[in-house]
Amino acid sequence: EAGVTQFPSHSVIEKGQTVTLRCDPISGHDNLYWYRRVMGKEIKFLLHFVKESKQDESGMPNNRFLAERTGGTYSTLKVQPAELEDSGVYFCASSLIPGQGAYNEQFFGPGTRLTVL
Amino acid sequence: AQRVTQPEKLLSVFKGAPVELKCNYSYSGSPELFWYVQYSRQRLQLLLRHISRESIKGFTADLNKGETSFHLKKPFAQEEDSAMYYCALSGFSGGYNKLIFGAGTRLAVHP
Repeated sequence: EAGVTQFPSHSVIEKGQTVTLRCDPISGHDNLYWYRRVMGKEIKFLLHFVKESKQDESGMPNNRFLAERTGGTYSTLKVQPAELEDSGVYFCASSLIPGQGAYNEQFFGPGTRLTVL
Repeated sequence: AQRVTQPEKLLSVFKGAPVELKCNYSYSGSPELFWYVQYSRQRLQLLLRHISRESIKGFTADLNKGETSFHLKKPFAQEEDSAMYYCALSGFSGGYNKLIFGAGTRLAVHP
């Protein structure tokens, strides 16, 4: 199995532009999480989907960030318009719902490195 | 407030030396603690979780609720252990909770 995949692996954009990141979770994983690591800082939670519903979006920095999960499968994270401080590595993770397998283990994607110039 | 603290950004040791990566947490409740590892050019992956109480790749970690610590230890470091290590916690609430990460410690094992 491929595991969690993310696209693109790298993105370089100018301030004010729009970028959309995509995450494909492991098949059958209803939980999907987005995290971000800004240079030199810890990995921070952004939001959590259970299937297509947003369970927790307390970590979203502001309304320039919009996450969707169409049909409970893949998810997209759009940043519009991008600012310099949005640069960092965006990780996606997925996990099973408890009762279906390993408890709470989140499997991470390789991340998307976003650079805003 | 929920917080994970890893006081060392870099830990540099020689092969065969003992290793201890420190992790302290702050959480009002019963969290589950994890160690995640990211090797060069690889994705973040789970190394240990406290509920399983197992040894993985020679690493162990014991949850000390009195000291609110979850230090990662290995008696004899290997060069292949060089990586970024993150301590994380998750609130115990049906498995739906986010992970809260520490800032990470880079372990460098020299020959």
